[in-house]
Amino acid sequence: GAVVSQHPSRVICKSGTSVKIECRSLDFQATTMFWYRQFPKKSLMLMATSNEGSKATYEQGVEKDKFLINHASLTLSTLTVTSAHPEDSSFYICSAPDRPGQAFFGQGTRLTVV
Amino acid sequence: ILNVEQSPQSLHVQEGDSTNFTCSFPSSNFYALHWYRWETAKSPEALFVMTLNGDEKKKGRISATLNTKEGYSYLYIKGSQPEDSATYLCASPAGGTSYGKLTFGQGTILTVHP
Repeated sequence: GAVVSQHPSRVICKSGTSVKIECRSLDFQATTMFWYRQFPKKSLMLMATSNEGSKATYEQGVEKDKFLINHASLTLSTLTVTSAHPEDSSFYICSAPDRPGQAFFGQGTRLTVV
Repeated sequence: ILNVEQSPQSLHVQEGDSTNFTCSFPSSNFYALHWYRWETAKSPEALFVMTLNGDEKKKGRISATLNTKEGYSYLYIKGSQPEDSATYLCASPAGGTSYGKLTFGQGTILTVHP
């Protein structure tokens, strides 16, 4: 199957700093990627749809100024958590479909804000 | 809002046991049902994409069935092995589309004891 690589897998940052998470499709082009967040003991929740060459589409309740998404190329989407606070600590994971009906996931990023 | 529910939340079985768990979803406006296997520190791995009522798919010792009229899917594992230990996720595309924007259940955590 297709490969999606996400980096870093773990990051610890100080409160008030920003953190960038990368999601790359290694062997296919992805005009659309998706960013999910998982709270403890909860399901993966869709945060936003990343669109190559245009603005991301955010789900209701997700602050677009807090979670900046850039999809500048067909193989890379980035999620930047700006001015991170402890409540932003979570597991973030991206996915990219290589064709309709099939999504491939990155390995996820565990963010801890101290 | 699409609600996808999974049960049980966790399951402990002995090596060699067969097991099954459930995913329920709204039967109206159904498009597809995805099953994923997610091992710790790895990417979720796609197991099945099911679309037709009555579908039954098999991959080795793992199989899944689909009932779109009543809104449920079962995942079966025959002769469980310790390497089957993982979180099993089901998901359905939000908004009745196929293109990767998924609503997930909470997952079933399977532990197979040697």
